[in-house]
Amino acid sequence: KNQVEQSPQSLIILEGKNCTLQCNYTVSPFSNLRWYKQDTGRGPVSLTIMTFSENTKSNGRYTATLDADTKQSSLHITASQLSDSASYICVVTESGGSYIPTFGRGTSLIVHP
Amino acid sequence: NAGVMQNPRHLVRRRGQEARLRCSPMKGHSHVYWYRQLPEEGLKFMVYLQKENIIDESGMPKERFSAEFPKEGPSILRIQQVVRGDSAAYFCASSPIQNTEAFFGQGTRLTVV
Repeated sequence: KNQVEQSPQSLIILEGKNCTLQCNYTVSPFSNLRWYKQDTGRGPVSLTIMTFSENTKSNGRYTATLDADTKQSSLHITASQLSDSASYICVVTESGGSYIPTFGRGTSLIVHP
Repeated sequence: NAGVMQNPRHLVRRRGQEARLRCSPMKGHSHVYWYRQLPEEGLKFMVYLQKENIIDESGMPKERFSAEFPKEGPSILRIQQVVRGDSAAYFCASSPIQNTEAFFGQGTRLTVV
């Protein structure tokens, strides 16, 4: 069964600090991995997408890494801002078939001033 | 180009009533996905549709739930005889072709009283 596990479940940091969120998956065969940001009461918004051949992708202060061998990904946020407070969701898509993505449960990040 | 539009944003139904959730995909997008998010839970895939076709409904309960994406008009997720356990946020996403980035709507929050 395809699974996506995220850690930590929740995280509290001070404004300006860096943090790293983890994602482990068992989805196979692998097509791509995306990180989404979901603000409270809103729909998820895509941050990064990586395919098998990519091991890092940046989007401003967000940097995602992918190790397809160990089936792990991380999302690093630098110089956190209050607006980074949100849920960060790791989504892995299987190749072949109908390409249905598997969602992790998300990491809830709270940035305090 | 407007984003994915979902309506209503909030819907209250009494137990036993029907709930109809609408999703208008982004212009040019012919692939629609429906997800359900329970409080404090991750997004769970329900159904994947293309125009006039259900591609994958493996995540949708066999009874009371149905979805359609007609040639003209929005995609509809219908829940008949709603129960309290159906209370959740229902998100729709669309993409132009299979296995490309999906853009999410703001969701419909269904409350069954």
